[in-house]
Amino acid sequence: GDSVTQMEGPVTLSEEAFLTINCTYTATGYPSLFWYVQYPGEGLQLLLKATKADDKGSNKGFEATYRKETTSFHLEKGSVQVSDSAVYFCALGGSGNTPLVFGKGTRLSVIA
Amino acid sequence: GEEVAQTPKHLVRGEGQKAKLYCAPIKGHSYVFWYQQVLKNEFKFLISFQNENVFDETGMPKERFSAKCLPNSPCSLEIQATKLEDSAVYFCASSQLRGRSTDTQYFGPGTRLTVL
Repeated sequence: GDSVTQMEGPVTLSEEAFLTINCTYTATGYPSLFWYVQYPGEGLQLLLKATKADDKGSNKGFEATYRKETTSFHLEKGSVQVSDSAVYFCALGGSGNTPLVFGKGTRLSVIA
Repeated sequence: GEEVAQTPKHLVRGEGQKAKLYCAPIKGHSYVFWYQQVLKNEFKFLISFQNENVFDETGMPKERFSAKCLPNSPCSLEIQATKLEDSAVYFCASSQLRGRSTDTQYFGPGTRLTVL
């Protein structure tokens, strides 16, 4: 079945450091790919998405590119802030409103 | 509404008691999904609805769990005779009907169920 693998962390960075969180997937067909973020004590918020190969999703300085050849969707941000501290989830969705398949989440802590 | 609403925010039950959780999807969204987030952040899909019809229930533990989405009412997830292992955060998500492509699922704030 479909699956998502992401680096487990925790990841601790200093403010203004560069962030990469790796995500790779296994899927049949042509899934859509998502990054969701969960701030402490809150629900899941959509951060960005990409629906086809070579699409780049971006939001709030974060970006990720759908790479079909490497089955990857790595999350990057050039300069993290303390407010980015959260758990980040990579997810894939098949066609026709099938349930999302989530990675195990990566906890990011940014220190001033 | 513009956001997925879930009630209650927290729910505490003794083992063996019933728990009922509610979800109001975003207005105009046809699909509702329930997920369980257990320790270590893992998400488990439970069930989905297309309007009031069950769409996919492959993740649903059928012995004690049931769910409904009735017209003009919030969707509900009910756990009969809760067990300690049911302690988790339960998330509801909704999405629009957009043909074959996967549409974004928008999540509610979750209900934290604690079974003592």
